[in-house]
Amino acid sequence: EPEVTQTPSHQVTQMGQEVILRCVPISNHLYFYWYRQILGQKVEFLVSFYNNEISEKSEIFDDQFSVERPDGSNFTLKIRSTKLEDSAMYFCASTEGGQGAYEQYFGPGTRLTVT
Amino acid sequence: AQSVSQHNHHVILSEAASLELGCNYSYGGTVNLFWYVQYPGQHLQLLLKYFSGDPLVKGIKGFEAEFIKSKFSFNLRKPSVQWSDTAEYFCAVTNQGGKLIFGQGTELSVKP
Repeated sequence: EPEVTQTPSHQVTQMGQEVILRCVPISNHLYFYWYRQILGQKVEFLVSFYNNEISEKSEIFDDQFSVERPDGSNFTLKIRSTKLEDSAMYFCASTEGGQGAYEQYFGPGTRLTVT
Repeated sequence: AQSVSQHNHHVILSEAASLELGCNYSYGGTVNLFWYVQYPGQHLQLLLKYFSGDPLVKGIKGFEAEFIKSKFSFNLRKPSVQWSDTAEYFCAVTNQGGKLIFGQGTELSVKP
């Protein structure tokens, strides 16, 4: 069964450093998402992406964050200058359609630790 | 703004006990409702979903959920839990825009 993959599984970085989290969505999917879960808190929506553009972003997704689909398979989340409060589990998801009536398939997550 | 509330943070049951996890959402328009499960060390997986039609939906592994529009609820049920159901359960809602709004999750521990 096709699945969403994410790399790395765990990333440790120092405050102020840039990180890139990578995702490979399911190949025929067209809509891509990033979510994050700070330890002990809810899974929160960050951004959705379709047709090489951001469709929607949350208040969390400020100028420090960016997303890109650099080629036909990868979908990346970049944090330009990490802060301690960026420590969280980051999940990528993909789906065939974007109208809400489609199942989102999640990757295993990347645990980001900012020290 | 949309929000989802799950009533129980941690539920502990013995095997064969019945399960009901509460979920309420706030949104006035058309919604799509989901329950996701995260087994220890694994990624989020879809248990079941409601888009329209019969408000009683059946999912994988014997789970079901009932959409009650008047109560803005979408409670998850299973008549007899197993040790392998130990996991964290998330209720979520989307509108037509596609982003998922999650509840805070309920950790279910099933004692053998």
